[in-house]
Amino acid sequence: EIVLTQSPATLSLSPGERATLSCRASQSVSSFLAWYQQRPGQAPRLLIYDASNRATGIPARFSGSGSGTDFTLTISSLEPEDFAVYYCQQRGNWPPLTFGGGTKVEIK
Amino acid sequence: QVQLVESGGGVVQPGRSLRLSCTASGFTFSSYGMHWVRQAPGKGLEWVALISYDGSNKYYADSVKGRFSISRDNSKNTLYLQMNSLRSEDMAVYYCAKGSGWFDPWGQGTLVTVSS
Repeated sequence: EIVLTQSPATLSLSPGERATLSCRASQSVSSFLAWYQQRPGQAPRLLIYDASNRATGIPARFSGSGSGTDFTLTISSLEPEDFAVYYCQQRGNWPPLTFGGGTKVEIK
Repeated sequence: QVQLVESGGGVVQPGRSLRLSCTASGFTFSSYGMHWVRQAPGKGLEWVALISYDGSNKYYADSVKGRFSISRDNSKNTLYLQMNSLRSEDMAVYYCAKGSGWFDPWGQGTLVTVSS
């Protein structure tokens, strides 16, 4: 089973700042990695798939990069609605499909 | 627009069974794989099961294999999760989601509480 490790667990930033979130896989998943955002009390939504492709309707301030075992989600300038929990997920080697433990982006 | 609506959650005693449903609209249900994903209170996301577009292939997390069964009725645009021998660790919000490798979109979830 591929284990995804996200860091940091919590990121404290102010609106307008840049957020950089990391996801590391225990073995290569090629580019088969996605990122999801979950706001409090809501279901997750897909932000990025195949490591760097934005899903439909996702603002350009969200970008993804990486391949193999190291991946990054960048939010170029935080908006108030971006304070949420972010999860990475792999489909490079499954079953099972696995998620990282999440990074909470909170207001500083 | 694509909509997924889960139902069937509730309070159930350990060892008992429950069946969840997910009704889909806004897309050709019979053309897509479908998943169940769960989230225990205050915890992260855990993939539970996947069924192919025609129901011919099914995959499960080890934690539910042999106890849970995923199925679908394409004539009713409905996905199911039959959960047997429920344990306290199965308590979670259960989401259905469209897709094969990715999850997009998700339903709003239904809460399953396992308690005596």
